[in-house]
Amino acid sequence: DIVMTQSPTSMSISVGDRVTMNCKASQNVGSNVDWYQQKTGQSPKLLIYKASNRYTGVPDRFTGSGSGTDFTFTISNMQAEDLAVYYCMQSNSYPPTFGGGTKLELK
Amino acid sequence: EVQLVESGGGLVQPGRSLKLSCVASGFTFSNYGMNWIRQAPGKGLEWVAYISSGSSYIYYAETVKGRFTISRDNAKNTLYLQMTSLRSEDTALYYCARRDYPGTPYYYVMDAWGQGASVTVSS
Repeated sequence: DIVMTQSPTSMSISVGDRVTMNCKASQNVGSNVDWYQQKTGQSPKLLIYKASNRYTGVPDRFTGSGSGTDFTFTISNMQAEDLAVYYCMQSNSYPPTFGGGTKLELK
Repeated sequence: EVQLVESGGGLVQPGRSLKLSCVASGFTFSNYGMNWIRQAPGKGLEWVAYISSGSSYIYYAETVKGRFTISRDNAKNTLYLQMTSLRSEDTALYYCARRDYPGTPYYYVMDAWGQGASVTVSS
């Protein structure tokens, strides 16, 4: 199985910050990476698909980039409502595999 | 509005069985592939199984292969997960999620998720 490694595991941030997190695949997954947001007590929500495409209705402060094995997810202007755990997931091959998540916490 | 509602979770002893259901509404269920994904308490997400719209294609995670069976009844708009020989490590919140094509050719996403059904395996 492809291993997705996210870093950092947690971040202490302030409203208004630019937040960047990373995801590294154990082998080449092309651009076949999605990013999900999971708020406490809620189910995951798709934000970015195929590395850099914003899903319907997702604010443009959320962006993704990368290809091959290295991917980046950025929140350009952190809002309080963005506090959550963010997961990357590769869909290049079965089984789909998720990273361990990056948790955003208020400083 | 797309809705997915899981049910059937509960406390079960190791080695026993349990069947989860996921009732879909707000879309034409028979046109979509469906997934089960689970999340152990305080842990990350683990994909469990996939079934295509017409049940022709089925895939499982190695951790559940041979013990879990995914199925669907398109007439009832319902997805199932039959879980047998349950282990403590199967304790998790089980989500069903719809597979959809966001407009990019040959690419799929899990675009709608239920709220999850809690399964606890313990003696």
